[in-house]
Amino acid sequence: GENVEQHPSTLSVQEGDSAVIKCTYSDSASNYFPWYKQELGKGPQLIIDIRSNVGEKKDQRIAVTLNKTAKHFSLHITETQPEDSAVYFCAATPRGTMNRDDKIIFGKGTRLHILP
Amino acid sequence: AAGVIQSPRHLIKEKRETATLKCYPIPRHDTVYWYQQGPGQDPQFLISFYEKMQSDKGSIPDRFSAQQFSDYHSELNMSSLELGDSALYFCASSRRTSLYEAFFGQGTRLTVV
Repeated sequence: GENVEQHPSTLSVQEGDSAVIKCTYSDSASNYFPWYKQELGKGPQLIIDIRSNVGEKKDQRIAVTLNKTAKHFSLHITETQPEDSAVYFCAATPRGTMNRDDKIIFGKGTRLHILP
Repeated sequence: AAGVIQSPRHLIKEKRETATLKCYPIPRHDTVYWYQQGPGQDPQFLISFYEKMQSDKGSIPDRFSAQQFSDYHSELNMSSLELGDSALYFCASSRRTSLYEAFFGQGTRLTVV
C-alpha cells in the first residue's frame, strides 16, 4: 500500500519568510496529492492539491510542485503570516480511476510556527 | 457552501460502553471515509463507503462497525470502548465520479474514561 513520508516534522520561520514542506510517496498508482491544514481542535482543511498530469500549481501565496519520476511533492508558502501557523499534512491517493481502494494516505504532518 | 457535518462534536463514554458517531456528507457526495486521529498524530484511515457499500477497510478494530445509509449519511458504531479509543474521529466525503477533492468534517472528540 501507499506510504507517505513528510519532512520536517516541525518548522519555524520568521513572519514574511517562505516555508517549504516536502513529501515523498511510494505507490506509483497515486495520482492525486492534496495538502491539508489543520488548526487545533478542527478538521483538516483542504488548501491546495495537484494531480499527476501537472508539475506545479499556484494559488496566491501557496504553491505545490510534483516530481512524478522521483515521487516527490512539496508545499511552498511565501510571505508567511501568523495565521499560517498550523499543522500541515500532505497526502496521496489514486483518484478518478474508479478504483474503490482510493483512501487518502496522510504524511505524519508538519507543525509550522510563524515567528513574529 | 454546505460542509461535512459530524455529530456529536464531543462525547464522553465509560469503558466497555458503546458509542455511535454520525456523519452527513456534502450533498451529492457518494463516498464517505472515516479516520481516527490520536493526539499529535496524523489521521489514520478506518473504513470507507461508496454508494452504501463498504469500499475499503483500514486499521479498524473488530469492535467497530460502520455503514452508509440510503441518504448517504454514515454511522460509526464503537462497542466495548477502551481508554485507547479516545481520539478525534473525522469523517470526509467526496464524489468519486466527478471530483477528486475530499472534504473533512470538524470531527467528534471521543473521550473514554
